[in-house]
Amino acid sequence: AQSVTQLGSHVSVSEGALVLLRCNYSSSVPPYLFWYVQYPNQGLQLLLKYTTGATLVKGINGFEAEFKKSETSFHLTKPSAHMSDAAEYFCAVSDEATDKLIFGTGTRLQVFP
Amino acid sequence: DTGVSQNPRHKITKRGQNVTFRCDPISEHNRLYWYRQTLGQGPEFLTYFQNEAQLEKSRLLSDRFSAERPKGSFSTLEIQRTEQGDSAMYLCASISGTTISYGYTFGSGTRLTVV
Repeated sequence: AQSVTQLGSHVSVSEGALVLLRCNYSSSVPPYLFWYVQYPNQGLQLLLKYTTGATLVKGINGFEAEFKKSETSFHLTKPSAHMSDAAEYFCAVSDEATDKLIFGTGTRLQVFP
Repeated sequence: DTGVSQNPRHKITKRGQNVTFRCDPISEHNRLYWYRQTLGQGPEFLTYFQNEAQLEKSRLLSDRFSAERPKGSFSTLEIQRTEQGDSAMYLCASISGTTISYGYTFGSGTRLTVV
């Protein structure tokens, strides 16, 4: 069965610092991978996705992620954190048969001034 | 295109009561998914529809839960005899096309509190 592991339930960075949120997945076939952001009491907003092609994917708000098949990873990065980046971030992998998403448990990002 | 709409945004109900949530997907999206998210967890899959057909239900969906999508448009999720453990955010998402590479659009969710 497919699964997603997000290392670190909480990550704190200073404004302007590098953001690195880790995601590892298990899948028997090349997966589709996603990062979503969730602000308090809101739904999920797609940050970026990997389906096929280039392994470095750029998303909204300056975020990017790199698909590394050999490491079964899809870590999310942003060179310089902004206060508005404070939110919950979820990594997800899609089920091949049903397209349903399997989510990780999330990482709460705090940004300090 | 106003996105995926969910109503109500918040629902407080007494234990044992029935509740119903509604999801209006993006009009051209043929697949609709329901997820449940409890505090501190990622969303968990409940069920999905392709047009009006319900194609899969999670084991999380007990007999007290039922979902419908009449005419392949909006969907409803009903919980009968609510329990405190049903308190969660219920999220709806829709996609177009036959593969997820087109991307999901999520609604803002319905937060259920059972007291």
